[in-house]
Amino acid sequence: GNSVTQMEGPVTLSEEAFLTINCTYTATGYPSLFWYVQYPGEGLQLLLKATKADDKGSNKGFEATYRKETTSFHLEKGSVQVSDSAVYFCALSRGSNYQLIWGAGTKLIIKP
Amino acid sequence: ETGVTQTPRHLVMGMTNKKSLKCEQHLGHNAMYWYKQSAKKPLELMFVYNFKEQTENNSVPSRFSPECPNSSHLFLHLHTLQPEDSALYLCASSQDRRLTDTQYFGPGTRLTVL
Repeated sequence: GNSVTQMEGPVTLSEEAFLTINCTYTATGYPSLFWYVQYPGEGLQLLLKATKADDKGSNKGFEATYRKETTSFHLEKGSVQVSDSAVYFCALSRGSNYQLIWGAGTKLIIKP
Repeated sequence: ETGVTQTPRHLVMGMTNKKSLKCEQHLGHNAMYWYKQSAKKPLELMFVYNFKEQTENNSVPSRFSPECPNSSHLFLHLHTLQPEDSALYLCASSQDRRLTDTQYFGPGTRLTVL
């Protein structure tokens, strides 16, 4: 079946460090891939997405590339800020009902 | 007001109470969703409505009853809940139900069942 696996958190980094949050997926065919972010006390919001292989999604300094050969969609940012502290969710959209399949979320803590 | 709003933001109820959660979207979307978010678990999709018709019910217990009177409003009626139902309940909407559609989320209702 379809599934998404994210690295377990929390991930704790210092400000200006390089960030990678791993996400791998299992799906048939060609899913769309998403990263959503949830700031404390808020709902989820779309961070970036990619709809076909080799696409790169980017937003707010974050990037992720749709790698079909490794079934991955790792999230990266070159220099994190305290304001990036949040929970990050990887998700895929697949299937005849276009349901989103979610990862468990990775909590990111950035220390000044 | 824009986006997706949810009321109340916090709710504490006893197991014998009846309460309702409300969601409203101001985006002109056609699809609306209820999710349950529990600690350290993936988001659980509960219900999906498309053009006011329920299209998904992911084996949700009958103590949760959704209602979608129009494309902008979605309710979740709660009755005889259990303590394990305590969670953050998120509402979302999307333009349609296509593979590439983005879902827009409300801030959630934090529900505590005593």
